[in-house]
Amino acid sequence: AQSVSQHNHHVILSEAASLELGCNYSYGGTVNLFWYVQYPGQHLQLLLKYFSGDPLVKGIKGFEAEFIKSKFSFNLRKPSVQWSDTAEYFCAVNKGGSQGNLIFGKGTKLSVKP
Amino acid sequence: KAGVTQTPRYLIKTRGQQVTLSCSPISGHRSVSWYQQTPGQGLQFLFEYFSETQRNKGNFPGRFSGRQFSNSRSEMNVSTLELGDSALYLCASSPSPNEKLFFGSGTQLSVL
Repeated sequence: AQSVSQHNHHVILSEAASLELGCNYSYGGTVNLFWYVQYPGQHLQLLLKYFSGDPLVKGIKGFEAEFIKSKFSFNLRKPSVQWSDTAEYFCAVNKGGSQGNLIFGKGTKLSVKP
Repeated sequence: KAGVTQTPRYLIKTRGQQVTLSCSPISGHRSVSWYQQTPGQGLQFLFEYFSETQRNKGNFPGRFSGRQFSNSRSEMNVSTLELGDSALYLCASSPSPNEKLFFGSGTQLSVL
């Protein structure tokens, strides 16, 4: 069965530190990859997505992610985090086509200390 | 534009009962998906509907069912509730299945 693994359950960083959140998936075919974010008290929202083309994708608020097919990975990065990045981050994958049918990782909580 | 609206916000039921949750998508959105979120299992896909047709179904027992109406509003039903059905049920809508999802706040279901 397909699955998505997020390596860290909770990450604590100080402001201005660099961020990398790991995501690995277990599906060998063509996949679409997503990162979603849930800020405290807000709805889950799309941060960025990869369908094809340049494996380095840029999203909102300075986030980027790199798709490495050989490693089945789609890690999320940000060079310098801010307190406002405190949120829960979810990696997700689907087999193509519909964006409504997603397999999510269990999420990583990011706490940024001011 | 109003967001995805889910009602009720909170619900308490007892084992064996059934429950119906409602989702009103963003105006103009014709695709609706449902997810179950629990601390142990995370977010799990339940169903996806587009133009009143179920396009995809997740790996849940037959007690979980859903439908979509001609105005794109969707309902999901859980019959014979079990304690393990306690969860946050999230609805998401998009203009079409190949477009970005917009999530609602969810319905928090507690089964006692």
